[in-house]
Amino acid sequence: AQKVTQAQTEISVVEKEDVTLDCVYETRDTTYYLFWYKQPPSGELVFLIRRNSFDEQNEISGRYSWNFQKSTSSFNFTITASQVVDSAVYFCALSGPNTGNQFYFGTGTSLTVIP
Amino acid sequence: KAGVTQTPRYLIKTRGQQVTLSCSPISGHRSVSWYQQTPGQGLQFLFEYFSETQRNKGNFPGRFSGRQFSNSRSEMNVSTLELGDSALYLCASSPEPGQGYEQFFGPGTRLTVL
Repeated sequence: AQKVTQAQTEISVVEKEDVTLDCVYETRDTTYYLFWYKQPPSGELVFLIRRNSFDEQNEISGRYSWNFQKSTSSFNFTITASQVVDSAVYFCALSGPNTGNQFYFGTGTSLTVIP
Repeated sequence: KAGVTQTPRYLIKTRGQQVTLSCSPISGHRSVSWYQQTPGQGLQFLFEYFSETQRNKGNFPGRFSGRQFSNSRSEMNVSTLELGDSALYLCASSPEPGQGYEQFFGPGTRLTVL
């Protein structure tokens, strides 16, 4: 069974602080794909990153970075020097080779950046 | 390139009525998926269409149905609306199903059932 757990329901940080959003996944597939999406108050899910199970390289994109560790089944997301515009709900998602485009989403982490 | 568009953006219906939501995918994308988002259940997969065929279906009652047209546009229908159907309905598109493609989401249709 596919499952994604985001244990942090809500996080508040002061602007310019670093924050890490945790994502733990479960799957029996050897090939799988992990994603992060951002959902601002407007409601639209915005794609941030995609990782396949064979690529454990960490990635950095501006203030965003992702740490993928198969040994702990985790795919954590760090925002450096947070800004008010980062306030949103962030979702981690998992898909497999046999599930088409069915994404299994975590419950999301609501991030509030306080100015 | 235009993004995924969904119409209408907001809808208010009463119990027992039916509703049809529309989704136009990104140009060139042939796979369309639908998700229901509620505060209690989070994001749940409804169904996925590719080449006018339903490829996958989530755990929803038969009142929820959909279809895809030859131009890849998709519609979903909910019949005999219940209060619990109040939700944000999100449509997503990708070039093809599977292969780990990221999906691009539309702004959603917020359905309120009174």
